[in-house]
Amino acid sequence: EIVLTQSPATLSLSPGERATLSCGASHSVRSSYLAWYQQRPGLAPRLLIYDISRRATGIPDRFSGSGSGTDFTLTISRLEPEDFAVYYCQQYGSSLTFGGGTKVEIK
Amino acid sequence: EVQLVQSGAEVKKPGESLKISCEGSGYTFTSYWVAWVRQMPGRGLEWMGIIYPSDSDTRYSPSFQGQVTISVDKSMGAVYLQWSSLKASDTAIYYCARAGYDCNAVACETHFDRWGQGTLVTVSS
Repeated sequence: EIVLTQSPATLSLSPGERATLSCGASHSVRSSYLAWYQQRPGLAPRLLIYDISRRATGIPDRFSGSGSGTDFTLTISRLEPEDFAVYYCQQYGSSLTFGGGTKVEIK
Repeated sequence: EVQLVQSGAEVKKPGESLKISCEGSGYTFTSYWVAWVRQMPGRGLEWMGIIYPSDSDTRYSPSFQGQVTISVDKSMGAVYLQWSSLKASDTAIYYCARAGYDCNAVACETHFDRWGQGTLVTVSS
């Protein structure tokens, strides 16, 4: 099973700042099969990015994904108030596993 | 509009049985795999299993094999998650989620592009 480790656990930033979230895999993720989800308090997860860098329908272009192999990044170029949430990565190249999450909180 | 609508919150005692549902609408229900994902209190996401409504092909995560049953009723446009004997450790929010890609004969390699609103299951004596 591929284990995904997200860092940092918590990111404290101000609106308008840039957020960089990391997702590290214990083994190389096959075929670019990595996704990112946003979960706001009390709500279901929402797909942001799939196949490492493809934005899901309706996702603003301030969200971008990058990386390869075992190291992946979600970047939020300028934080909006609604972006303060928990973010999860998920790999689907070898079974399906999720990372432990990164909480983006208001500084 | 694509929607997955789940049944309401449940409070059960240990040892009781339970079946929760997820109804899909706004898309061809039989053409997309639907998964169940667990989120224990204050914790992350865990994939439990996935089903193809067209032929009921079902795959389970090894962690949940034998612990739950996933089923479908095509006529109702609904997928179900069932327990025969609940434990306190089953207390969690359960989400259904639509797969963005198909599973093949060997594996399910997919992200999830639509999610239900979640069903809170509380198991307590």
